[in-house]
Amino acid sequence: KAGVTQTPRYLIKTRGQQVTLSCSPISGHRSVSWYQQTPGQGLQFLFEYFSETQRNKGNFPGRFSGRQFSNSRSEMNVSTLELGDSALYLCASSFRDSPGDYGYTFGSGTRLTVV
Amino acid sequence: AQKITQTQPGMFVQEKEAVTLDCTYDTSDPSYGLFWYKQPSSGEMIFLIYQGSYDQQNATEGRYSLNFQKARKSANLVISASQLGDSAMYFCAMRESRRAQKLVFGQGTRLTINP
Repeated sequence: KAGVTQTPRYLIKTRGQQVTLSCSPISGHRSVSWYQQTPGQGLQFLFEYFSETQRNKGNFPGRFSGRQFSNSRSEMNVSTLELGDSALYLCASSFRDSPGDYGYTFGSGTRLTVV
Repeated sequence: AQKITQTQPGMFVQEKEAVTLDCTYDTSDPSYGLFWYKQPSSGEMIFLIYQGSYDQQNATEGRYSLNFQKARKSANLVISASQLGDSAMYFCAMRESRRAQKLVFGQGTRLTINP
């Protein structure tokens, strides 16, 4: 069974540019969540998508956006990159109504470096 | 607001010893779920164990068990017979309710197993 696939694994961008990250969930999982991990702030929730609709959003500026496609694949976009956006971006998928005993399955993450 | 506190930034344990990683939480919602994840240096978050707020028994999963003390709002992870491969960051997380699919994470504990 394929896990959660995030692409690309590593990315280097320049301040002011924009970036798009991709996440393919486990087959059958329709909920996809995104998290940002930095040494200073730890792991913070960005947003969750279910059935192509954003259901929850964390406390991030509007430069952070996302979407979900009909096949449950999700993308997140960060516009006008800032140095502080350098982080590991993790995607997690789950069965929305019953992630309990199975947890949220995370991908390996995309490590974004803004220079 | 929900909050997870992990008070041990780092722990050093001898191989084959048992180890307890502390986690306390704060929430006003009676229905919540608690998770533990392991994050090796590769970055992927690996689901270890889950405890629901209404579960009567402590969760166990192989060498992992969760010492759930609801009145104290404590959900400590116990790893029995530690192995060198257990060296990693460990995160405690909480999902406040089924409606809110976001996870709130603690700051993590870096566990190092010495041979």
